[in-house]
Amino acid sequence: DQQVKQNSPSLSVQEGRISILNCDYTNSMFDYFLWYKKYPAEGPTFLISISSIKDKNEDGRFTVFLNKSAKHLSLHIVPSQPGDSAVYFCAASGQGSQGNLIFGKGTKLSVKP
Amino acid sequence: DAGVTQSPTHLIKTRGQQVTLRCSPKSGHDTVSWYQQALGQGPQFIFQYYEEEERQRGNFPDRFSGHQFPNYSSELNVNALLLGDSALYLCASTPRVSSYTGELFFGEGSRLTVL
Repeated sequence: DQQVKQNSPSLSVQEGRISILNCDYTNSMFDYFLWYKKYPAEGPTFLISISSIKDKNEDGRFTVFLNKSAKHLSLHIVPSQPGDSAVYFCAASGQGSQGNLIFGKGTKLSVKP
Repeated sequence: DAGVTQSPTHLIKTRGQQVTLRCSPKSGHDTVSWYQQALGQGPQFIFQYYEEEERQRGNFPDRFSGHQFPNYSSELNVNALLLGDSALYLCASTPRVSSYTGELFFGEGSRLTVL
């Protein structure tokens, strides 16, 4: 049973518009949530994270929102750029489980010029 | 400053064989985690090593084993290969003693094909 779910396998967005990637989780013991970006033939690279004690974290064009009551988080990219085209993975970790991340299946984002 | 390096990048094995994958962590990192990413799936945690010992393990059979050396590099060994072991194997490193944010630094992976 998947503990971290990304229900949209793909998303297509026009350059300059907002991209919203969604993620749901089932385990209320998760205390850190992360987003990773992966280009073909490369390893995942860390994008942004959020602690369970917060509901928003922002870094430049990237903002992650956490709704603990709904067990839902989302990644907003504004404005989207063609270089953002990649697979985005949502991941979660529990206290005492550093290094053991539970990943979703990923969402492939395509940003069209 | 070298990041996480893995070798080999690609390899092909047949069922029943054994394979060893290698990883050098990012400079300054002493903790190594291994992940398996099957096609169309997210990475799945195999195990984590620090201080040359396995500290955490995911839901993988004993055919998967590892080792960490005094220089913090690590190996992943898989015995009695099955077709289902075909995947991208990712190594990730992190400094254990740090203001932990969950961030892992990943290598580019070793793509294993089992025929």
